[in-house]
Amino acid sequence: EMQLVESGGGLVQPGGSLRLSCAASGFTFSTSSMNWVRQAPGKGLEWVSYISSSSSTTYYADSVKGRFTISRDNAKNSLYLQMNSLRDDDTAVYYCARSLQNDYWGQGTLVTVSS
Amino acid sequence: DVVMTQSPLSLPVTLGQPASISCRSNQSLVYGDGNTYLNWFHQRPGQSPRRLIYKVSNRDSGVPDRFSGSGSVTDFTLKISRVEAEDVGVYYCMQGTHWPHTFGGGTKVEIK
Repeated sequence: EMQLVESGGGLVQPGGSLRLSCAASGFTFSTSSMNWVRQAPGKGLEWVSYISSSSSTTYYADSVKGRFTISRDNAKNSLYLQMNSLRDDDTAVYYCARSLQNDYWGQGTLVTVSS
Repeated sequence: DVVMTQSPLSLPVTLGQPASISCRSNQSLVYGDGNTYLNWFHQRPGQSPRRLIYKVSNRDSGVPDRFSGSGSVTDFTLKISRVEAEDVGVYYCMQGTHWPHTFGGGTKVEIK
């Protein structure tokens, strides 16, 4: 069974850092591109970042460029999102999603940025 | 960025009746390979999104055939032929043709 399990969320102060992880199983992670998508409380979906299967290509939303870094470890079947200089408006549930067109999603991890 | 505009924002429906959601983009979603990367997602309350339709009209595995997608270039529609109770929630369209990929604002489907 295909699974994506996010972790690493929590409460952090503005300006702080957090590293999210996404553990994949049930499919060939090393050949799958991946995305992070977030959803602020009561709001819609916002694409955050993309990484190709080999890590050769990454993209970021303008809202996080220069502050967030996406990475992956294919040997560990894991996807990461390093989030620095966090702001109040980064508060959201963060989902990892498989493939260029987001065909499968994890359950999400909540990041709360607040003093 | 490509702007995706969904309508209506809210859609009260009667069980067993059809429902239709519109999604329009401000740019053509036809990619250089000839495909149109327009996807539809459903998010039930408290759950993560689930993809229903990819490349305009292709149903994902396990998606009931009462869901259908249609459209082209900049104008797309998701139709539910007969709404069931489990269909409540928010529906999002998403374009995967141009970076950054962008979502519509969502359409909330509820039972009358």
